Amino acid sequence: EVQVVESGGGLVQPGGSLRLSCAASGFTFSSYSMNWVRQAPGKGPEWVSYIHNSGPIISYADSVKGRFTISRDNAKNSLYLQMDSLTAEDTAVYYCVRDYNYNFDVWGQGTVVAVSS
Amino acid sequence: QPVVTQEPSFSVSPGGTVTLTCGFSSGSVSTYNYPSWYQQTPGQAPRTLIYTTNTRSSGVPDRFSGSILGTKAALTITGAQADDESDYYCVLYMGSGNWVFGGGTKLTVL
Repeated sequence: EVQVVESGGGLVQPGGSLRLSCAASGFTFSSYSMNWVRQAPGKGPEWVSYIHNSGPIISYADSVKGRFTISRDNAKNSLYLQMDSLTAEDTAVYYCVRDYNYNFDVWGQGTVVAVSS
Repeated sequence: QPVVTQEPSFSVSPGGTVTLTCGFSSGSVSTYNYPSWYQQTPGQAPRTLIYTTNTRSSGVPDRFSGSILGTKAALTITGAQADDESDYYCVLYMGSGNWVFGGGTKLTVL
């Protein structure tokens, strides 16, 4: 079964850091570009970051640029998101999303990040 | 990043046809923005309905269709059913790995 499973969410204080992980299975991870998409409570989804299947092409939404870092380890079938300088506006469910032919075709169940003092 | 606009809400009668649109605050949507459409019900992750403008995702009923209408991407539901009542989001590709979601349309079927 094709799936991605996120982990690493939790409660963190403003200014703190968190590292999200995404474990992929059921497909050749190294052949696919991947994204992080987040959804704040009661809001629509927001694209956060993209990484090409081989890694050299990376992009970020303006809202997280300079604070978040996306990476992947194709040998471990894993995607990561290092989040620094967190603010309340980063509170959301974070989804790991596979990207195929300009289609966000596989979504995880999400991991919850709450930024609060 | 540009702002992608969608109707905040729409209502359709059962069996009726509705067209939701997705545009830029300034400028036109083209096929090179690879418009895609997602349906989301409460507590669930979004699921793909349409990608690359008009390609229906596997398992999606053919009452869902996508197109470019004028300056906007469009999702048309023909013969709406009660379980089509959901939130619908479009996503546009901006190049270089950048994407933007629209604000979403809450569709009511009544």
